[in-house]
Amino acid sequence: ETGVTQTPRHLVMGMTNKKSLKCEQHLGHNAMYWYKQSAKKPLELMFVYNFKEQTENNSVPSRFSPECPNSSHLFLHLHTLQPEDSALYLCASSQANIPVNTEAFFGQGTRLTVV
Amino acid sequence: RKEVEQDPGPFNVPEGATVAFNCTYSNSASQSFFWYRQDCRKEPKLLMSVYSSGNEDGRFTAQLNRASQYISLLIRDSKLSDSATYLCVVNPNAGNNRKLIWGLGTSLAVNP
Repeated sequence: ETGVTQTPRHLVMGMTNKKSLKCEQHLGHNAMYWYKQSAKKPLELMFVYNFKEQTENNSVPSRFSPECPNSSHLFLHLHTLQPEDSALYLCASSQANIPVNTEAFFGQGTRLTVV
Repeated sequence: RKEVEQDPGPFNVPEGATVAFNCTYSNSASQSFFWYRQDCRKEPKLLMSVYSSGNEDGRFTAQLNRASQYISLLIRDSKLSDSATYLCVVNPNAGNNRKLIWGLGTSLAVNP
């Protein structure tokens, strides 16, 4: 059982569809993150949850809606996406509130294509 | 100036070579620094944290130069399995893990 698991691994969706990405961590961490990785761009932080509370929304469009029902699960609900939203979406977890050099563990990502 | 800047490469080196990557950061108050490795179509994984005094882990050595605001990664005796993208990561806020700033990455190809 891997530390951070994301499903699905690949997703193709139309611009009018609604879909959800799921992330689950088995590491006992209390902070979870959504990142977006597009070609030729650095990793972009989208959302942060600490102890199930959203503590960061990095100016993400409302067509992306996160949900964190507990410290182990994180969802990203998608609706009316645009082709430029096609990217690799990575979930990560770490221990919150621990000073410097805290490692973030990533899931394998969901490769999303919007058509 | 970008917050974290790396030479994208690609670096093509033969097996056994020594290769060095540099990364510059713009926020002089940054507190913690990391090198992550990302294989093709895989997730990033922590390679090593970078400490003020510099640190070594086997064939990998990381250095921090606060005065010039750059960190470096040195790989000795390159292996084929070292081929990957190396991501420089900076945390500008002490104790605040969520503000990691990522570089674009430097691509390394080690050739037989």
